Amino acid sequence: QKEVEQDPGPLSVPEGAIVSLNCTYSNSAFQYFMWYRQYSRKGPELLMYTYSSGNKEDGRFTAQVDKSSKYISLFIRDSQPSDSATYLCAMSPYAGGTSYGKLTFGQGTILTVHP
Amino acid sequence: ETGVTQTPRHLVMGMTNKKSLKCEQHLGHNAMYWYKQSAKKPLELMFVYSLEERVENNSVPSRFSPECPNSSHLFLHLHTLQPEDSALYLCASSQLTGERGDIQYFGAGTRLSVL
Repeated sequence: QKEVEQDPGPLSVPEGAIVSLNCTYSNSAFQYFMWYRQYSRKGPELLMYTYSSGNKEDGRFTAQVDKSSKYISLFIRDSQPSDSATYLCAMSPYAGGTSYGKLTFGQGTILTVHP
Repeated sequence: ETGVTQTPRHLVMGMTNKKSLKCEQHLGHNAMYWYKQSAKKPLELMFVYSLEERVENNSVPSRFSPECPNSSHLFLHLHTLQPEDSALYLCASSQLTGERGDIQYFGAGTRLSVL
C-alpha cells in the first residue's frame, strides 16, 4: 500500500465548475498537509498549507483535512482555465528543532479547465 | 534573482558523459533537497542537506553524487547515467524552525534526457 494515494486523473471540467481533489494516506504520524500546484514546465509551488484537522480557505481555494479518516481534499470554486495544472498533495510528520520533516507526495492530479 | 534557480533547464547527455546540475536558493534557507520527478510517479526524494550536512540519502545509485558547498548552493553531479534516469530533477529549499511542518520551495527543474 502506498503511503499517500492520489487519483492521477486526468480531470477535465468546464470553466466555473467546482473542483474536488483528494488524497488518502496511511501514516497516522502525518500532521502537516500541503497542496502544491505545478504548471507545465515549472516546479511545484505551494498553494495551501494546513496543520492537523480542519478547514482553511484562501480565495477560491479551500483545503480540508480529516485526520480520523486519513483524508484530505482541495476544493476550487469558480474554476478558471488558469487553474489548469497538476495538483500535488504532500504531507509530513512533526519536525522538532531543526530536524527536517520528510515530505511525502501523492502522484499528482492533472486538471484541465476548459473555457 | 529570487526564489530557487536551477541550471540548466534542459540537458541531453550520453551514458558515458559527466555533467552537473546546479541549484541556487535566494531565500536564506538552511536546508536543500534534490528530487526526481518521473511521469505518473510521485516525487522521489533523493538527497537532503540540512545546515550543509547531508542528512538523507534515499538509496540513490552512486552515479548521482550531490555536493553542498554552502547553504545557498547545491549541485548534483552525474556520471554514467542510464536511460531510466531521464526525468525532471527538482531542487527545493526550506527553513527548518521546528515550529511547523517543512514548507519547501521548488525550482523550475532540469529536464534530463539520457541517450
